[in-house]
Amino acid sequence: SQQGEEDPQALSIQEGENATMNCSYKTSINNLQWYRQNSGRGLVHLILIRSNEREKHSGRLRVTLDTSKKSSSLLITASRAADTASYFCATPTTGANSKLTFGKGITLSVRP
Amino acid sequence: SAVISQKPSRDICQRGTSLTIQCQVDSQVTMMFWYRQQPGQSLTLIATANQGSEATYESGFVIDKFPISRPNLTFSTLTVSNMSPEDSSIYLCSVSDRGTGANVLTFGAGSRLTVL
Repeated sequence: SQQGEEDPQALSIQEGENATMNCSYKTSINNLQWYRQNSGRGLVHLILIRSNEREKHSGRLRVTLDTSKKSSSLLITASRAADTASYFCATPTTGANSKLTFGKGITLSVRP
Repeated sequence: SAVISQKPSRDICQRGTSLTIQCQVDSQVTMMFWYRQQPGQSLTLIATANQGSEATYESGFVIDKFPISRPNLTFSTLTVSNMSPEDSSIYLCSVSDRGTGANVLTFGAGSRLTVL
């Protein structure tokens, strides 16, 4: 079953606005990752936040993690049309043979 | 991070046929992961392919339907056998970037299969 659950499922905003996407998960994690997928192509890793971190920045991306609520948010500031894509949160299973489990994804549309 | 070449990028297949997807990595990697993404859905792990051993399949996926080869540390294939329309999906190979100290994945561009 899916570990991460993102919301909203779809988001449409105007270019220049900020986009906030949320992810909730169920079990304890070592880290949480966000990926982007353009038009059904391969996923691209955006950012990773470790369980002992609360906030992390990378360019126009800001991710937060609240382990007490088992939730994370991804903020994209000053959005661009090129940010139109699907965004997935992902969490690794624990143990030696760690695997990534992906959430259902959020479809972001940025209108020019 | 690794660069992955995956082919075919897309194909249209007839029911009952089989198709092999190839994944070439530009560096040696221990584990390769094969995912399936059904239309409008998230990614589901099919199996983990280790060089020199049998692939490890996730619940709901079997070797007869999705045989995997891993002849060396830079190459793997996934075959989708006896296809039905329900197999229409994007199939993605990926490798783990251990340099981050975490299980960060690099993906191929995906193979979009449509089964008629």
